[in-house]
Amino acid sequence: ILNVEQSPQSLHVQEGDSTNFTCSFPSSNFYALHWYRWETAKSPEALFVMTLNGDEKKKGRISATLNTKEGYSYLYIKGSQPEDSATYLCAPSRGAGNMLTFGGGTRLMVKP
Amino acid sequence: NAGVTQTPKFQVLKTGQSMTLQCAQDMNHEYMSWYRQDPGMGLRLIHYSVGAGITDQGEVPNGYNVSRSTTEDFPLRLLSAAPSQTSVYFCASSLSRQGMNTEAFFGQGTRLTVV
Repeated sequence: ILNVEQSPQSLHVQEGDSTNFTCSFPSSNFYALHWYRWETAKSPEALFVMTLNGDEKKKGRISATLNTKEGYSYLYIKGSQPEDSATYLCAPSRGAGNMLTFGGGTRLMVKP
Repeated sequence: NAGVTQTPKFQVLKTGQSMTLQCAQDMNHEYMSWYRQDPGMGLRLIHYSVGAGITDQGEVPNGYNVSRSTTEDFPLRLLSAAPSQTSVYFCASSLSRQGMNTEAFFGQGTRLTVV
């Protein structure tokens, strides 16, 4: 079982603030790192799948970076909006079976 | 475009009862998996399958059984329900080919209560 840690566990910000979260995972046997966005009463939806050390991906105001050598990934949200309120999950995968181990998530609440 | 469909959405069971949670996907994905989500614990992998006829245990397999007779369907069976199995269950599927790692698509979840 992989030890995947996300910090902080929860975060309250004001609309317009920029924020970032951390995902830490074992660097050995790394295959890929997934980020998901999970709104209350909905299903998790994929944001990014990253595989290469130094990889950086962006989708609108959300971006992510990956360091496979030290085992961490950052997720950034620029200019947070109330609709960004959700739980953000990271999950490293092992092997071609795409078996994901999820962290506990960071719950973001953006106040108008 | 249905994606991943789970049924039922809600279920209440009595301790000792058995039931099957259904999961079907129409994207021709090889890889399917079941997770349970409990407060403060994130998503934990119960069982997974890399293709029809192949299943394996995840992190928390006890009390659950799976089979994969077709590419589309991956049912999860609770053999004898216990209150500790009260949880929200998610089914997910993804493409899984050597050298590829693709996003998982999740069903809408099944909220199960065992009394």
